[in-house]
Amino acid sequence: AQRVTQPEKLLSVFKGAPVELKCNYSYSGSPELFWYVQYSRQRLQLLLRHISRESIKGFTADLNKGETSFHLKKPFAQEEDSAMYYCALSGLYSGGYQKVTFGTGTKLQVIP
Amino acid sequence: NAGVTQTPKFQVLKTGQSMTLQCAQDMNHNSMYWYRQDPGMGLRLIYYSASEGTTDKGEVPNGYNVSRLNKREFSLRLESAAPSQTSVYFCASSEGRRGLGNQPQHFGDGTRLSIL
Repeated sequence: AQRVTQPEKLLSVFKGAPVELKCNYSYSGSPELFWYVQYSRQRLQLLLRHISRESIKGFTADLNKGETSFHLKKPFAQEEDSAMYYCALSGLYSGGYQKVTFGTGTKLQVIP
Repeated sequence: NAGVTQTPKFQVLKTGQSMTLQCAQDMNHNSMYWYRQDPGMGLRLIYYSASEGTTDKGEVPNGYNVSRLNKREFSLRLESAAPSQTSVYFCASSEGRRGLGNQPQHFGDGTRLSIL
């Protein structure tokens, strides 16, 4: 079974402070991990995925297979980062099709 | 580019009424999904369609049915709405290439559904 855990429902930080949104996963195979962001009353959109090893809007995430984690980090929070963040794990169903499991989400609140 | 389009955006129903939520994508994606989003529970998969002509149950399928009408369209039907189905419903699509688990999903704007 695949599982994603985001332990924090709400994370409040001051503008300019570092941010770390935690994500831990459980999966028996080789995981594909994503972070999605949802701004207030908007659709979910892809923020980044581990396979790309990219930095989007100053955010980065490193896959740590030993700790089964994929934490999202940003060195200096901005007010516009306030949003709901979802960690997602993608595996394969029998038949080779993609199955995605989402965490329960963490609401990031950046205080001016 | 429209991407994933959902209709309607808002709906209020009475208990026992039926309703179909529509979803269409213009990205030629094979796979489509329906999720519900509830506070504190994140996104839960209701049904998915790995490819045209196939549908399968997700995590919370009870009380719902789906139809993959063609490659573009994937509808979700509530036959007899219940207050527990009050939620925000999101449709998503992905390329759906077999053997590849690293394809991102593209989401619609969501449908806010209230059951009284």
